[in-house]
Amino acid sequence: AQKITQTQPGMFVQEKEAVTLDCTYDTSDQSYGLFWYKQPSSGEMIFLIYQGSYDEQNATEGRYSLNFQKARKSANLVISASQLGDSAMYFCAMREGRSNFGNEKLTFGTGTRLTIIP
Amino acid sequence: GAVVSQHPSRVICKSGTSVKIECRSLDFQATTMFWYRQFPKKSLMLMATSNEGSKATYEQGVEKDKFLINHASLTLSTLTVTSAHPEDSSFYICSAQGESRNEQFFGPGTRLTVL
Repeated sequence: AQKITQTQPGMFVQEKEAVTLDCTYDTSDQSYGLFWYKQPSSGEMIFLIYQGSYDEQNATEGRYSLNFQKARKSANLVISASQLGDSAMYFCAMREGRSNFGNEKLTFGTGTRLTIIP
Repeated sequence: GAVVSQHPSRVICKSGTSVKIECRSLDFQATTMFWYRQFPKKSLMLMATSNEGSKATYEQGVEKDKFLINHASLTLSTLTVTSAHPEDSSFYICSAQGESRNEQFFGPGTRLTVL
């Protein structure tokens, strides 16, 4: 079974509108972390936002917020007031709890290609 | 955020040769680095976890004798693709774990083309 599922392969959004990118996850661990990364055409992975499984508040970073619904195992990324520069691939990733420090590997979803239309 | 560099950014080599890719954490020490591989328009697949001073941990299906990883210092990990074949052509990205478990910073990637 997929550990991270992103069901939207591509999205087109009008500039200045808000956009929600979906991400659901599957884990039996109680302690885990959820990440969102942006990958522009240059290929670099840009960290956007992090949500810990024990965090009671939804994470926010500027125009990015994470709609964390633990019972539904979803961690959707919300981008407010979208800009042309937001056009990129967006990946959701999960770090599952491990007892050994140093094994903090991430499992990535298949990504969503977001295109902002002027 | 912290800076991670990769060198080279792009490399073209002939079949049968070996290629070394460097991953450096520039302004922090990273006891753990990760190597990922990404095919065009696909997700990142973890290849191995590199721990400073110990052997790397490889993911299932990744040939450790083909993809040699050396984490010689707290700021440098190298990935050597040995006896490269055209099917090894891909985008290789490293990441370094920051001081917090919640931080993982990525390098800009290396595009390998094997002719």
